[in-house]
Amino acid sequence: DQQVKQNSPSLSVQEGRISILNCDYTNSMFDYFLWYKKYPAEGPTFLISISSIKDKNEDGRFTVFLNKSAKHLSLHIVPSQPGDSAVYFCAAPEGNQGGKLIFGQGTELSVKP
Amino acid sequence: DAGVIQSPRHEVTEMGQEVTLRCKPISGHDYLFWYRQTMMRGLELLIYFNNNVPIDDSGMPEDRFSAKMPNASFSTLKIQPSEPRDSAVYFCASSLDSFNSPLHFGNGTRLTVT
Repeated sequence: DQQVKQNSPSLSVQEGRISILNCDYTNSMFDYFLWYKKYPAEGPTFLISISSIKDKNEDGRFTVFLNKSAKHLSLHIVPSQPGDSAVYFCAAPEGNQGGKLIFGQGTELSVKP
Repeated sequence: DAGVIQSPRHEVTEMGQEVTLRCKPISGHDYLFWYRQTMMRGLELLIYFNNNVPIDDSGMPEDRFSAKMPNASFSTLKIQPSEPRDSAVYFCASSLDSFNSPLHFGNGTRLTVT
């Protein structure tokens, strides 16, 4: 059973427009969420996180929204740039073990010039 | 800071052979994690260490897999004997602490078992 789901394997967006990447989870005990970004032939790199006590966290062009009642979070990138083209993973720590992350399957974002 | 360093970057081996993957975490990080990425299962945790001690190895697929951390700056993941289904990208990651500190990943080792 996938506890963290990213139902869109890919997304294509025009440069300058908004990119919205979605993530759903099933475990109501999750209280912290992270987004990682991965370029080909590299490891994932941390992008942004959100605690369940918040419904929004912003860092420059990146904003993560959390809807606990819907068990849904989304990552907004505004404006999108070609360098944002990568695979984005949503993740949540399992139990009290912060590093034991449950990852979604990833969404490949392509930002076209 | 050189980041997490993994070697080799690519490994091609024949079924039945022993494979050893290596990792040097970021200096000062107390936690080290081994993840595996496959098309079928995505990114999954195999094992993690705290201060060189294995804490949770519930993700290790079977006895063919073993991991060690002899000191704070080095860890190995060994597969013996290897099988074609072990083909995957293996990532090592480290973090300052286990709770809400982001993981810093290495660039991975792509393993192909023929």
